[in-house]
Amino acid sequence: GEDVEQSLFLSVREGDSSVINCTYTDSSSTYLYWYKQEPGAGLQLLTYIFSNMDMKQDQRLTVLLNKKDKHLSLRIADTQTGDSAIYFCAETAGAGSYQLTFGKGTKLSVIP
Amino acid sequence: GAVVSQHPSRVICKSGTSVKIECRSLDFQATTMFWYRQFPKKSLMLMATSNEGSKATYEQGVEKDKFLINHASLTLSTLTVTSAHPEDSSFYICSASVDSDYSGNTIYFGEGSWLTVV
Repeated sequence: GEDVEQSLFLSVREGDSSVINCTYTDSSSTYLYWYKQEPGAGLQLLTYIFSNMDMKQDQRLTVLLNKKDKHLSLRIADTQTGDSAIYFCAETAGAGSYQLTFGKGTKLSVIP
Repeated sequence: GAVVSQHPSRVICKSGTSVKIECRSLDFQATTMFWYRQFPKKSLMLMATSNEGSKATYEQGVEKDKFLINHASLTLSTLTVTSAHPEDSSFYICSASVDSDYSGNTIYFGEGSWLTVV
């Protein structure tokens, strides 16, 4: 079955880089996503990557995808206190699906 | 770009009453919408797939008589939590996608609805 795993907590100092890791099981996923959720708020799409890509960079965000190991990571450069939030990894539930399977979320705490 | 509007964003209701949450695609048609629920310290779990003009498809363990889903038009799906109990308090969020436009940025989420049952 589909399963997305990610560590629950990450703590970094302001200005350092954050790396949030995720593993998934569905090799037929077409797209993989990173969402951000701030306390009391909804989901904010940060970035996504097509399953045939290895890397995608968008300003301070870098997504790395290792399809062989089914490993996805999100690197946030120059982490700021405003980056403190829960980050969800998600995969499409199979090729051509609009349904997403989410990880449990990684709570990122940024220490000033 | 495509927008999905969800209403209400926050609602407090008394135990035993019903509450309706709307998910509306504002500038596109969505044959299929999805409803997710977020449990404390758990991820967003798919509750059901809402199909326009037909019955919703519920995930295992989700009570279809308690969580009524109606997708009466191509732009509106509603989730009604019937006879709400405090354990139904949660964050509910919907997603919709543009039909026949499958790409990475065409899954749109509503703002989510925080339900508190007292």
